[in-house]
Order: sequence, then C-alpha cells, then structure tokens
Amino acid sequence: GENVEQHPSTLSVQEGDSAVIKCTYSDSASNYFPWYKQELGKRPQLIIDIRSNVGEKKDQRIAVTLNKTAKHFSLHITETQPEDSAVYFCAEGLTDSWGKLQFGAGTQVVVTP
Amino acid sequence: ETGVTQTPRHLVMGMTNKKSLKCEQHLGHNAMYWYKQSAKKPLELMFVYNFKEQTENNSVPSRFSPECPNSSHLFLHLHTLQPEDSALYLCASSPVRTGGGSYNEQFFGPGTRLTVL
Repeated sequence: GENVEQHPSTLSVQEGDSAVIKCTYSDSASNYFPWYKQELGKRPQLIIDIRSNVGEKKDQRIAVTLNKTAKHFSLHITETQPEDSAVYFCAEGLTDSWGKLQFGAGTQVVVTP
Repeated sequence: ETGVTQTPRHLVMGMTNKKSLKCEQHLGHNAMYWYKQSAKKPLELMFVYNFKEQTENNSVPSRFSPECPNSSHLFLHLHTLQPEDSALYLCASSPVRTGGGSYNEQFFGPGTRLTVL
C-alpha cells in the first residue's frame, strides 16, 4: 500500500444527523479496507471493514462503501450519537501482505447534542 | 486486562537513557506490529513481525531496536532518542492464516505515552 488520504480532518455534526468520511488510496492492488475508531485516551478498535469483492457493507448505523474504479471508500454513520465522538481512521492493505496496513491521518468527529 | 497489553503506559526519559517498551498478546496471534502515533499524523507503521521473524522495517532510525523472542511478546528498545520521538507507541497483533497471508484485523494495545526530554 501507499499513501491514503482521508477527509475531512475534523467533522462536527448535530446529534441525529449523518456523518461521512472519505478516503482515497493509490495502490490498485489493495483489497482490504478497514475503519478504526479511537476514543479519547483509548486504543484504536476496528468498527467495520470491507473487502474488494463487495461494494457496500452495513452494520447497524455504520456503513462503508467502496469504489474500486475511483479508488475511494467512505464511512457513513447515520443517526449520530454523542458516543460516536472519536477519531476515525481508514486504512488499506493486502490480504497477502502479512497484515501490513496503511492508515489515513484520521478524522476527529464531534457530535453535539 | 486481556487481549493486547503494553507496559509501561507512560514513560519519560532523557535523550541519553536506554529504556524498553513491552507488548504482550494473549490472543494466539502470530503477527505483531509497532506503530508510532503523533498528533495530527497517520499511524506510522514501524516494524512487523510474523512468526517471530521481522518482515518489515519501515525506515525506522536505528535508535529504535525491536525484539520478538516469541509470538506472544514484542519489545521496542530505545536509546539516545530525540525530543521529536515523543509520541504514543502502539503495539498491535493479528492472526495469520495457515499458508500465509493475514486476516488483517489488528488488535491494538493501549499504548505507551513516551516523552523524551
């Protein structure tokens, strides 16, 4: 994997609204795209991932979409809640690369009541 | 604490000191990683170990020296560090599929907050 660009760097949303974070990557061979959530003072934790054989995956209020042609993937959080406030990192990698991941710079999401 | 543990959680050291960070995973994984996390920057992969063998050294300065005595333990030995090395150092582990490759999901430890004076 090479560079992963993540936007925006900060995102403020009203509780109940949706949040969208987008990442673009350059390595067309990449086939694994996870998203990690890091709450203040805590460790990053995987919240959802997608592999290149699907275009969308959903888990309750969280969804990820992948456009392999355009080399970008996005995280969508619906009906945001205060506990969604955290830094979110996208990453990309190859399933045969011994687990090596290239991370984005992160997006600070703040959900205001 | 289960999963991936790291000690110490906080470390303050002078530039001439020698110290070591320790990571231990209780998940039966065979791949372990060191990352550096600085403010406003991506997680920087430093080293990757698979089945105790180093498979990646991401152009890390020699003042950082990793050691992986077995699949459950990973150390990062530090000597003559610089103030710009101050950061959160995260360890992670992941399972490795038999025959090669990895499931890629990485389980992170809580990190060691390092301050170099």
